[in-house]
Amino acid sequence: DQQVKQNSPSLSVQEGRISILNCDYTNSMFDYFLWYKKYPAEGPTFLISISSIKDKNEDGRFTVFLNKSAKHLSLHIVPSQPGDSAVYFCAASAYQTGANNLFFGTGTRLTVIP
Amino acid sequence: DAGVIQSPRHEVTEMGQEVTLRCKPISGHDYLFWYRQTMMRGLELLIYFNNNVPIDDSGMPEDRFSAKMPNASFSTLKIQPSEPRDSAVYFCASSLVSYQMETQYFGPGTRLLVL
Repeated sequence: DQQVKQNSPSLSVQEGRISILNCDYTNSMFDYFLWYKKYPAEGPTFLISISSIKDKNEDGRFTVFLNKSAKHLSLHIVPSQPGDSAVYFCAASAYQTGANNLFFGTGTRLTVIP
Repeated sequence: DAGVIQSPRHEVTEMGQEVTLRCKPISGHDYLFWYRQTMMRGLELLIYFNNNVPIDDSGMPEDRFSAKMPNASFSTLKIQPSEPRDSAVYFCASSLVSYQMETQYFGPGTRLLVL
């Protein structure tokens, strides 16, 4: 059963506008969340993460928001650039339990239109 | 460093054949992970090793799948016999420590098609 869900397989945004990618999870033991970015023919690369003790983490144009009560997180990209066009994977782990597993969503393909 | 190296990059085989995927982790990394990516399930962890020892293989789908790490610089994922539902992209990743999840470095993947 999919414990991390990305319900939007694709998203198109105009350059300069905000991109919002969403992710939901079902396991209340998850306490660490990550976003990975993947270009075609390459492996995923780490983008940004957030611990469950926070509700927001910002890194340049990228901000991740966590709503624990709703078991929902989102990635905001402002302003969006054509180079941001990629597949974005949300991932979660039950880090404090000592687990080393990362549970990934199915990904959202972002297209930033110049 | 060259990063995580995987071979082959593409593999097309017929049902029933044996398939071997290879991975060379980043030198000095002592954790190695094998993932499978499908449209339906996204990225799934199959197995991971610490210092060449398998730690958790609960993600390995069936007995047809096996993984080995004979030394610190090489790992294989074998499927025998292969089936069409095994068609996916298989990623290998390595890291220095396992709890810093963001430090997992992924290889480019092997795209497997089983006819």
